[in-house]
Amino acid sequence: QKEVEQNSGPLSVPEGAIASLNCTYSDRVSQSFFWYRQYSGKSPELIMSIYSNGDKEDGRFTAQLNKASQYVSLLIRDSQPSDSATYLCAVNAGTDKLIFGTGTRLQVFP
Amino acid sequence: GAGVSQSPRYKVAKRGQDVALRCDPISGHVSLFWYQQALGQGPEFLTYFQNEAQLDKSGLPSDRFFAERPEGSVSTLKIQRTQQEDSAVYLCASSLVVARYEQFFGPGTRLTVL
Repeated sequence: QKEVEQNSGPLSVPEGAIASLNCTYSDRVSQSFFWYRQYSGKSPELIMSIYSNGDKEDGRFTAQLNKASQYVSLLIRDSQPSDSATYLCAVNAGTDKLIFGTGTRLQVFP
Repeated sequence: GAGVSQSPRYKVAKRGQDVALRCDPISGHVSLFWYQQALGQGPEFLTYFQNEAQLDKSGLPSDRFFAERPEGSVSTLKIQRTQQEDSAVYLCASSLVVARYEQFFGPGTRLTVL
């Protein structure tokens, strides 16, 4: 079992809709959770970090964390074609390194 | 301010050649990380420095891989006797303090071994 799992997609949503991206992790001692956006041919860009249970909102992005279920999600409201990218979930289990999922490819169509 | 920079952006090497990849972290960032990203995969951890100390090198795939950060700023990842399976994007990330774990990535170096 991979330590961080994501559906590879593609997840296709129409412009203006809410995109919901999900991630599960296996290590119960995980403490820090991150969402990175990666455009094709580019490097990962940090868009959200979350450390405690509940929701965290930043503009059109909302991260949700449920440690009991070992689940973290990212909601993108009012999706735009420019949001089309691969979204990487990353988890830190109290050590130095980040463990990444394989990413979910999001396609927002006009 | 300036972000993480990496050079070269692209490197083509013949199998068996040695390569050196450079990372210049965000000024003042204590922690520096190297990751390897294969096509269609998420980044995989290679090694980590806090200042000049290499605290974790558990992800280095073989003894052909070596990293250093002698003055606690710029870091170099060296791969000796490159093999085709070393072809990947090598990403460097830096973090202001370890505790928050927010890591910011450079543009990466795409290594192709022929």
